[in-house]
Amino acid sequence: SAVISQKPSRDICQRGTSLTIQCQVDSQVTMMFWYRQQPGQSLTLIATANQGSEATYESGFVIDKFPISRPNLTFSTLTVSNMSPEDSSIYLCSVEALSGNTIYFGEGSWLTVV
Amino acid sequence: GESVGLHLPTLSVQEGDNSIINCAYSNSASDYFIWYKQESGKGPQFIIDIRSNMDKRQGQRVTVLLNKTVKHLSLQIAATQPGDSAVYFCAETGGSYIPTFGRGTSLIVHP
Repeated sequence: SAVISQKPSRDICQRGTSLTIQCQVDSQVTMMFWYRQQPGQSLTLIATANQGSEATYESGFVIDKFPISRPNLTFSTLTVSNMSPEDSSIYLCSVEALSGNTIYFGEGSWLTVV
Repeated sequence: GESVGLHLPTLSVQEGDNSIINCAYSNSASDYFIWYKQESGKGPQFIIDIRSNMDKRQGQRVTVLLNKTVKHLSLQIAATQPGDSAVYFCAETGGSYIPTFGRGTSLIVHP
């Protein structure tokens, strides 16, 4: 399986600010995704990060709030913009294995907005 | 995606017992299923998967059972250990390759 590194692992952020989370994979992968996991809840897909083009967002998530970049096959960023306490969540980067189908996750970035 | 409340279903077992965690899925077109384990403070970890052309698959101490007729998936953990304490999620993919996650189950193993 791929090794997925996320930075920061944790942060406490001020209301109204923006934070960019980085995801680095140790091998080239075709698909990269960003999930959100609110406290005590399951995982919700935010978007698919597309290499060299705009991300594909799920219903309820918009580019202005969650801009995503994917400049190459091993790196992606997710920005949480104009944060409010409701954005306090774990943000998880995930990738599809080269063998297909299986999705692996990073350790997550735990954001608390105060 | 499915919404869940703040209180996850909880399964409490004694160390050494077998655990069975259940999951119902809704999409009859789903053809690939995955179980993940999420320990406190960590990201989800892949445990085992199964394709829709199978009804059982075994790993080390874990078995996944798939009943397509009633759209039900289960994860069996043999000889449960304290280190198995975590939240377990099932995920399904169908059509698209992107998994949809079910509500998790919190497994608590008492020594």
